[in-house]
Amino acid sequence: DQQVKQNSPSLSVQEGRISILNCDYTNSMFDYFLWYKKYPAEGPTFLISISSIKDKNEDGRFTVFLNKSAKHLSLHIVPSQPGDSAVYFCAASDYYQLIWGAGTKLIIKP
Amino acid sequence: DGGITQSPKYLFRKEGQNVTLSCEQNLNHDAMYWYRQDPGQGLRLIYYSQIVNDFQKGDIAEGYSVSREKKESFPLTVTSAQKNPTAFYLCASSSGTRGAGYEQFFGPGTRLTVL
Repeated sequence: DQQVKQNSPSLSVQEGRISILNCDYTNSMFDYFLWYKKYPAEGPTFLISISSIKDKNEDGRFTVFLNKSAKHLSLHIVPSQPGDSAVYFCAASDYYQLIWGAGTKLIIKP
Repeated sequence: DGGITQSPKYLFRKEGQNVTLSCEQNLNHDAMYWYRQDPGQGLRLIYYSQIVNDFQKGDIAEGYSVSREKKESFPLTVTSAQKNPTAFYLCASSSGTRGAGYEQFFGPGTRLTVL
Protein backbone atom coordinates (compact mmCIF):
# COMPACT_ATOMS: atom_id res chain seq x y z
CA ASP A 1 0.00 0.00 0.00
CA GLN A 2 1.57 3.25 -1.15
CA GLN A 3 1.65 5.78 1.65
CA VAL A 4 3.02 8.55 -0.59
CA LYS A 5 1.57 8.95 -4.06
CA GLN A 6 2.53 11.09 -7.00
CA ASN A 7 -0.28 10.43 -9.42
CA SER A 8 1.19 12.23 -12.43
CA PRO A 9 4.05 10.26 -13.99
CA SER A 10 4.93 13.23 -16.19
CA LEU A 11 4.19 16.92 -16.65
CA SER A 12 5.04 19.23 -19.54
CA VAL A 13 5.25 22.99 -18.96
CA GLN A 14 6.23 25.94 -21.13
CA GLU A 15 9.42 27.75 -20.13
CA GLY A 16 8.63 30.78 -17.98
CA ARG A 17 5.29 29.44 -16.75
CA ILE A 18 4.47 27.87 -13.40
CA SER A 19 5.09 24.17 -12.77
CA ILE A 20 2.92 22.52 -10.11
CA LEU A 21 3.81 19.05 -8.90
CA ASN A 22 1.44 17.24 -6.58
CA CYS A 23 1.81 14.64 -3.87
CA ASP A 24 -0.75 12.87 -1.65
CA TYR A 25 -0.13 10.88 1.50
CA THR A 26 -2.19 8.61 3.70
CA ASN A 27 -0.43 8.59 7.07
CA SER A 28 -1.44 11.52 9.26
CA MET A 29 1.57 10.82 11.53
CA PHE A 30 4.07 12.05 8.93
CA ASP A 31 5.63 15.19 10.38
CA TYR A 32 8.08 16.34 7.75
CA PHE A 33 7.95 16.41 3.97
CA LEU A 34 10.70 16.87 1.42
CA TRP A 35 11.06 17.36 -2.32
CA TYR A 36 14.01 16.04 -4.26
CA LYS A 37 15.12 16.53 -7.83
CA LYS A 38 16.86 13.80 -9.81
CA TYR A 39 18.66 13.74 -13.13
CA PRO A 40 19.21 10.42 -14.95
CA ALA A 41 22.05 8.27 -13.61
CA GLU A 42 22.62 10.63 -10.65
CA GLY A 43 21.58 10.64 -7.01
CA PRO A 44 18.61 12.81 -5.96
CA THR A 45 19.39 16.27 -4.62
CA PHE A 46 17.38 17.95 -1.91
CA LEU A 47 15.23 20.88 -3.01
CA ILE A 48 12.96 22.07 -0.25
CA SER A 49 11.15 20.76 2.81
CA ILE A 50 8.27 21.63 5.08
CA SER A 51 7.34 20.75 8.62
CA SER A 52 3.80 19.63 9.35
CA ILE A 53 3.32 22.65 11.62
CA LYS A 54 3.59 24.95 8.60
CA ASP A 55 1.48 25.30 5.49
CA LYS A 56 3.98 27.03 3.22
CA ASN A 57 7.72 27.25 2.72
CA GLU A 58 9.53 29.30 0.08
CA ASP A 59 13.04 29.15 -1.28
CA GLY A 60 13.69 31.30 -4.31
CA ARG A 61 11.68 29.97 -7.25
CA PHE A 62 10.44 26.99 -5.24
CA THR A 63 7.45 26.99 -2.90
CA VAL A 64 5.95 24.00 -1.14
CA PHE A 65 2.37 24.07 0.14
CA LEU A 66 1.00 21.63 2.69
CA ASN A 67 -2.72 20.96 3.22
CA LYS A 68 -2.89 18.64 6.22
CA SER A 69 -6.64 18.20 6.17
CA ALA A 70 -6.47 16.97 2.58
CA LYS A 71 -3.15 15.13 3.16
CA HIS A 72 -1.80 16.86 0.11
CA LEU A 73 1.30 18.81 -0.73
CA SER A 74 2.44 20.57 -3.85
CA LEU A 75 5.63 22.04 -5.22
CA HIS A 76 5.41 25.23 -7.26
CA ILE A 77 8.26 26.32 -9.50
CA VAL A 78 8.03 29.88 -10.82
CA PRO A 79 9.25 30.68 -13.41
CA SER A 80 10.09 27.31 -14.90
CA GLN A 81 13.49 27.05 -16.56
CA PRO A 82 14.99 24.44 -18.92
CA GLY A 83 17.32 23.21 -16.17
CA ASP A 84 14.27 22.28 -14.12
CA SER A 85 13.62 19.33 -16.44
CA ALA A 86 14.14 16.32 -14.18
CA VAL A 87 12.26 13.78 -12.10
CA TYR A 88 10.84 15.19 -8.86
CA PHE A 89 10.26 12.98 -5.84
CA CYS A 90 8.10 13.74 -2.87
CA ALA A 91 9.09 12.07 0.43
CA ALA A 92 7.57 11.97 3.90
CA SER A 93 9.34 11.20 7.14
CA ASP A 94 8.41 8.12 9.10
CA TYR A 95 10.68 8.57 12.12
CA TYR A 96 14.13 7.63 10.75
CA GLN A 97 12.96 6.62 7.32
CA LEU A 98 11.75 8.53 4.33
CA ILE A 99 8.77 7.14 2.45
CA TRP A 100 9.09 8.03 -1.22
CA GLY A 101 6.61 8.69 -3.99
CA ALA A 102 7.18 7.21 -7.45
CA GLY A 103 8.25 10.54 -8.94
CA THR A 104 6.97 12.95 -11.58
CA LYS A 105 9.01 13.67 -14.70
CA LEU A 106 8.91 17.41 -15.41
CA ILE A 107 9.65 18.51 -18.97
CA ILE A 108 10.16 22.22 -19.61
CA LYS A 109 9.44 23.14 -23.21
CA PRO A 110 11.30 26.08 -24.82
CA ASP B 1 34.69 18.77 0.86
CA GLY B 2 31.97 16.69 2.49
CA GLY B 3 29.84 14.19 0.67
CA ILE B 4 29.02 10.61 -0.16
CA THR B 5 31.02 8.50 -2.55
CA GLN B 6 29.90 5.30 -4.20
CA SER B 7 32.07 3.01 -6.20
CA PRO B 8 32.18 1.78 -8.82
CA LYS B 9 29.92 3.88 -11.05
CA TYR B 10 29.19 0.89 -13.31
CA LEU B 11 29.44 -2.74 -12.31
CA PHE B 12 28.93 -5.91 -14.31
CA ARG B 13 28.40 -9.26 -12.71
CA LYS B 14 27.88 -12.75 -13.95
CA GLU B 15 24.80 -14.58 -12.78
CA GLY B 16 25.44 -16.52 -9.57
CA GLN B 17 28.18 -14.21 -8.28
CA ASN B 18 28.02 -12.04 -5.19
CA VAL B 19 29.10 -8.43 -5.56
CA THR B 20 29.74 -5.66 -3.02
CA LEU B 21 28.90 -2.01 -3.61
CA SER B 22 30.86 0.56 -1.67
CA CYS B 23 29.42 3.61 0.11
CA GLU B 24 31.51 6.07 2.15
CA GLN B 25 30.47 9.37 3.76
CA ASN B 26 32.48 12.07 5.50
CA LEU B 27 29.49 14.08 6.71
CA ASN B 28 29.67 12.60 10.21
CA HIS B 29 26.11 11.34 9.77
CA ASP B 30 24.78 8.62 12.04
CA ALA B 31 22.20 7.18 9.65
CA MET B 32 22.88 5.54 6.29
CA TYR B 33 20.58 3.97 3.72
CA TRP B 34 20.60 1.83 0.60
CA TYR B 35 17.95 2.25 -2.08
CA ARG B 36 17.25 0.59 -5.36
CA GLN B 37 15.74 2.37 -8.34
CA ASP B 38 14.29 0.56 -11.35
CA PRO B 39 13.27 2.30 -14.59
CA GLY B 40 10.10 4.35 -14.15
CA GLN B 41 9.89 3.61 -10.45
CA GLY B 42 10.61 5.44 -7.24
CA LEU B 43 13.23 4.64 -4.64
CA ARG B 44 12.75 1.44 -2.68
CA LEU B 45 14.54 0.99 0.63
CA ILE B 46 16.78 -2.07 0.91
CA TYR B 47 18.50 -1.59 4.29
CA TYR B 48 19.16 1.24 6.69
CA SER B 49 21.41 1.79 9.67
CA GLN B 50 20.88 4.34 12.43
CA ILE B 51 24.14 3.70 14.28
CA VAL B 52 27.31 1.66 13.97
CA ASN B 53 26.88 -2.11 14.34
CA ASP B 54 23.13 -1.87 13.88
CA PHE B 55 20.96 -2.08 10.75
CA GLN B 56 17.40 -2.91 9.80
CA LYS B 57 15.75 -4.41 6.76
CA GLY B 58 13.82 -2.16 4.45
CA ASP B 59 11.02 -3.10 2.10
CA ILE B 60 13.09 -5.23 -0.31
CA ALA B 61 15.95 -6.73 1.75
CA GLU B 62 15.75 -10.27 0.36
CA GLY B 63 18.90 -11.21 -1.50
CA TYR B 64 20.94 -8.36 -0.01
CA SER B 65 23.21 -8.00 3.01
CA VAL B 66 24.96 -5.07 4.69
CA SER B 67 27.42 -4.29 7.44
CA ARG B 68 28.08 -1.15 9.47
CA GLU B 69 31.41 -1.59 11.21
CA LYS B 70 32.41 2.04 10.83
CA LYS B 71 30.36 5.22 10.96
CA GLU B 72 31.66 6.31 7.55
CA SER B 73 31.04 3.09 5.66
CA PHE B 74 27.93 1.08 4.75
CA PRO B 75 28.72 -1.53 2.06
CA LEU B 76 25.94 -3.45 0.33
CA THR B 77 26.40 -7.02 -0.92
CA VAL B 78 24.12 -8.21 -3.68
CA THR B 79 24.02 -11.96 -3.33
CA SER B 80 23.22 -14.64 -5.87
CA ALA B 81 19.87 -15.06 -4.07
CA GLN B 82 18.67 -11.72 -5.44
CA LYS B 83 16.42 -12.71 -8.33
CA ASN B 84 16.62 -9.53 -10.37
CA PRO B 85 19.69 -7.54 -9.31
CA THR B 86 20.08 -5.36 -12.41
CA ALA B 87 19.22 -1.85 -11.18
CA PHE B 88 20.54 1.54 -10.12
CA TYR B 89 21.67 1.50 -6.48
CA LEU B 90 21.76 4.64 -4.36
CA CYS B 91 23.36 5.18 -0.98
CA ALA B 92 22.29 8.03 1.30
CA SER B 93 23.02 9.40 4.75
CA SER B 94 21.32 11.71 7.21
CA SER B 95 22.07 13.18 10.61
CA GLY B 96 19.05 11.28 11.82
CA THR B 97 17.67 13.95 14.05
CA ARG B 98 14.18 15.36 13.69
CA GLY B 99 13.29 18.28 11.48
CA ALA B 100 16.07 19.15 9.08
CA GLY B 101 17.84 15.95 10.05
CA TYR B 102 15.45 14.00 7.91
CA GLU B 103 17.16 15.40 4.83
CA GLN B 104 19.07 12.60 3.18
CA PHE B 105 22.16 13.25 1.11
CA PHE B 106 22.77 10.91 -1.78
CA GLY B 107 25.78 9.51 -3.52
CA PRO B 108 26.06 9.42 -7.34
CA GLY B 109 24.81 5.82 -7.53
CA THR B 110 26.09 2.52 -8.92
CA ARG B 111 24.51 0.91 -11.95
CA LEU B 112 24.71 -2.86 -11.60
CA THR B 113 24.14 -5.05 -14.64
CA VAL B 114 23.95 -8.82 -14.40
CA LEU B 115 25.10 -10.56 -17.57
